[in-house]
Amino acid sequence: DIQMTQSPSSLSASVGDRVTITCRASQSISTYLNWYQEKPGKAPKLLIYAASSLQSGVPSRFGGSGSGTDFTLTISSLQPEDFATYYCQQTYSTPFTFGPGTKVDIK
Amino acid sequence: EVQLVESGGGLVQPGGSLRLSCAASGFTFSRYWMYWVRQAPGKGLVWVSRINSDGSSTSYADSVKGRFTISRDNAKNTLYLQMNSLRVEDTAVYYCARDIGYSSPLDYWGQGTLVTVSS
Repeated sequence: DIQMTQSPSSLSASVGDRVTITCRASQSISTYLNWYQEKPGKAPKLLIYAASSLQSGVPSRFGGSGSGTDFTLTISSLQPEDFATYYCQQTYSTPFTFGPGTKVDIK
Repeated sequence: EVQLVESGGGLVQPGGSLRLSCAASGFTFSRYWMYWVRQAPGKGLVWVSRINSDGSSTSYADSVKGRFTISRDNAKNTLYLQMNSLRVEDTAVYYCARDIGYSSPLDYWGQGTLVTVSS
């Protein structure tokens, strides 16, 4: 199975900050990488698919990049509604494993 | 409007069984691959199972293989997860979700149904 790691596991940031979350796969997954946002008590929300494509309706401050084994989710200017947990997921081969998550909270 | 509504969760003893359902509406259910994803209390997301659009192909996480069965009824627009030989570690909120194609992103999720395995 492909293992996914994320760093950091948590971070504290202020509104307006630029935030970067890194996701790494244990083997090359091309661009079969998606990013989700999760808030307590709510279902996950798709942000980025295929490593860099912005899902319809998602604000343009969210961006994704990378290929192979190393990927990045960037929030260009953190907004109050962005405080949440973020997960990457590889869909190169089943099982489609998720990363352990990165919790973004208020500094 | 796309909607996915899970049901069937509840409290069950170890070794018991449950069948989860996911009722889909607002889209042509038979055209989409569908998934189950779970989240144990306070933990991260875990991919459980996948089924293709006509139900002829399925995949499972190793942790549930041989115990869980995913299926669908396209005439009823409903996805199922039959869970047998349940273990304490299967306790989680179970979500169904829709796959929209290249890189299998899950664009719509249900609200989740809680399964608690406890004696």
